Amino acid sequence: GAGVSQTPSNKVTEKGKYVELRCDPISGHTALYWYRQSLGQGPEFLIYFQGTGAADDSGLPNDRFFAVRPEGSVSTLKIQRTERGDSAVYLCASSLAGAGADTQYFGPGTRLTVL
Amino acid sequence: EDQVTQSPEALRLQEGESSSLNCSYTVSGLRGLFWYRQDPGKGPEFLFTLYSAGEEKEKERLKATLTKKESFLHITAPKPEDSATYLCAVLFNYGQNFVFGPGTRLSVLP
Repeated sequence: GAGVSQTPSNKVTEKGKYVELRCDPISGHTALYWYRQSLGQGPEFLIYFQGTGAADDSGLPNDRFFAVRPEGSVSTLKIQRTERGDSAVYLCASSLAGAGADTQYFGPGTRLTVL
Repeated sequence: EDQVTQSPEALRLQEGESSSLNCSYTVSGLRGLFWYRQDPGKGPEFLFTLYSAGEEKEKERLKATLTKKESFLHITAPKPEDSATYLCAVLFNYGQNFVFGPGTRLSVLP
């Protein structure tokens, strides 16, 4: 596909469970970003990958959150021991070069609901 | 603390009624300011990037301008299809990540 894709589109889980959210960036984009968006708010930065490495993970709220991008393409955001406060839309974006040099293209998001 | 704010929080316009949205930032160094449009249930869609005070960008009925402390998104003769949430995001000199404002929800009534 031409755009950023995210799966699943919706995820409902119970408090304390583990979840994985997947992002497929635009082919050839080296930079990948994860954001979290709560209702009525703007996206909140979580982590930025340049290639396979996390160039900036300062937005991850705590050690229950972890993200990987092992081959420099697909990325997975992992949340352990989910809490109700983790409920939000998780957005992924990719750009050609990163560090603000290029336009970020966003995926449709994964809506996570923790019961 | 560097912050990005947007006003108004919500705006209702009649079709054809021009207006402006504001994005203000307190920042020690600005590398770029970005405007996005977000429709319900979708990810943000890129509109403009502005890098320096005095810069302007235009696209159809939208025009974005930048000063040292704020940016405006001017909407001329809006149509109902312009209804969306408009987000601005700032990239600061010291970081590699973007700080988004809370957005302005625009409704254009026919």
